[in-house]
Amino acid sequence: AQSVAQPEDQVNVAEGNPLTVKCTYSVSGNPYLFWYVQYPNRGLQFLLKYITGDNLVKGSYGFEAEFNKSQTSFHLKKPSALVSDSALYFCAVRDILMDTGRRALTFGSGTRLQVQP
Amino acid sequence: GAVVSQHPSRVICKSGTSVKIECRSLDFQATTMFWYRQFPKQSLMLMATSNEGSKATYEQGVEKDKFLINHASLTLSTLTVTSAHPEDSSFYICSAREGLALYEQFFGPGTRLTVL
Repeated sequence: AQSVAQPEDQVNVAEGNPLTVKCTYSVSGNPYLFWYVQYPNRGLQFLLKYITGDNLVKGSYGFEAEFNKSQTSFHLKKPSALVSDSALYFCAVRDILMDTGRRALTFGSGTRLQVQP
Repeated sequence: GAVVSQHPSRVICKSGTSVKIECRSLDFQATTMFWYRQFPKQSLMLMATSNEGSKATYEQGVEKDKFLINHASLTLSTLTVTSAHPEDSSFYICSAREGLALYEQFFGPGTRLTVL
């Protein structure tokens, strides 16, 4: 079975500082990995994905994530945080090998990012 | 492009009534739609997967007679919460996948259901 872990419930960072939101995954085969952001009472907005190729993936709003196969991680990063980045962030995975065709995503528990001015 | 809408955005109903939530893909054909449920400060839990024209596939533990899903067209799926109870109060989010797309899912803005 596929699973995703986001070990931090909340991450606090000062505006202008770099931020990292951690994600580790477990799959039987090769993973498709995603990051989404959710603002209060809103649906999920896509940030970026890793399918194959370059381990460093660049996405929306200046975010990037690095796929590390040996550590089974896909941490989300941004060089300089903005107050407007404060939101709930979800990591998600789809197991290519075990996928039955539903192509559903398994989500992590979410990490709340709080950027202080 | 790739916009998914949900209606209503918020609904309050009395216990025992049924509520229908619509999910529409506005600018693409969604052969597959997913329904998720999110409790406060928790992650999204997949409830069911629906393919246009066929019966939905429910995840383990989700009552198919309580959460009726219909995916009658390539742009519309509905979730009906039958005989709603307070414990059904939650944030319901749908997502849609375009026909030949391998990776992308596009999410609706969600529907907040409160059962009194």
